[in-house]
Amino acid sequence: EAGVAQSPRYKIIEKRQSVAFWCNPISGHATLYWYQQILGQGPKLLIQFQNNGVVDDSQLPKDRFSAERLKGVDSTLKIQPAKLEDSAVYLCASRFGTSYTGELFFGEGSRLTVL
Amino acid sequence: SQQGEEDPQALSIQEGENATMNCSYKTSINNLQWYRQNSGRGLVHLILIRSNEREKHSGRLRVTLDTSKKSSSLLITASRAADTASYFCATTPTGTASKLTFGTGTRLQVTL
Repeated sequence: EAGVAQSPRYKIIEKRQSVAFWCNPISGHATLYWYQQILGQGPKLLIQFQNNGVVDDSQLPKDRFSAERLKGVDSTLKIQPAKLEDSAVYLCASRFGTSYTGELFFGEGSRLTVL
Repeated sequence: SQQGEEDPQALSIQEGENATMNCSYKTSINNLQWYRQNSGRGLVHLILIRSNEREKHSGRLRVTLDTSKKSSSLLITASRAADTASYFCATTPTGTASKLTFGTGTRLQVTL
């Protein structure tokens, strides 16, 4: 079974530039998450999708971050314009069901450096 | 915001010793999970314990849950160098739709 795919793995940009990250979850997984992990901290939930609908985006900085999940499968997370404090690893995860049971499967992450 | 807080923040032990990590959380939960993260990699699920369970085992892992104290512990027995990683607890608060909130993590270093 293929895992969660993310790209790019690494990205370096100047502040005020834009960046987009892509995630392809495990086939058949209804729930998809984007987490931000700053160095030395635990992952912080940015947005959660169930199929192609948003379940929780309460911690997403909506003035600069946006995310969508196309046809309930792939997802894209965009940052525009980027700030220095956005430097972090962006982790995508998926889960088979929509209930609270069950583990999350994580991708390898996309490491963003904002200069 | 972080729901859970792990203790200690860092732990260094020798191979063969046991490692214990603790997690405290703030609100009532449906379940609690533990994940491992090797340096520069994604997180890997280790074990899930439901709110009505008190203890669970999986191989060399033992997890306990005390909902009255809002705390959990992860014990790794007979540790190996390959266990070197960061360990995170994650909770699904009651009333949330499969939201999973992670703690701050414990960095475990196992030396030969």
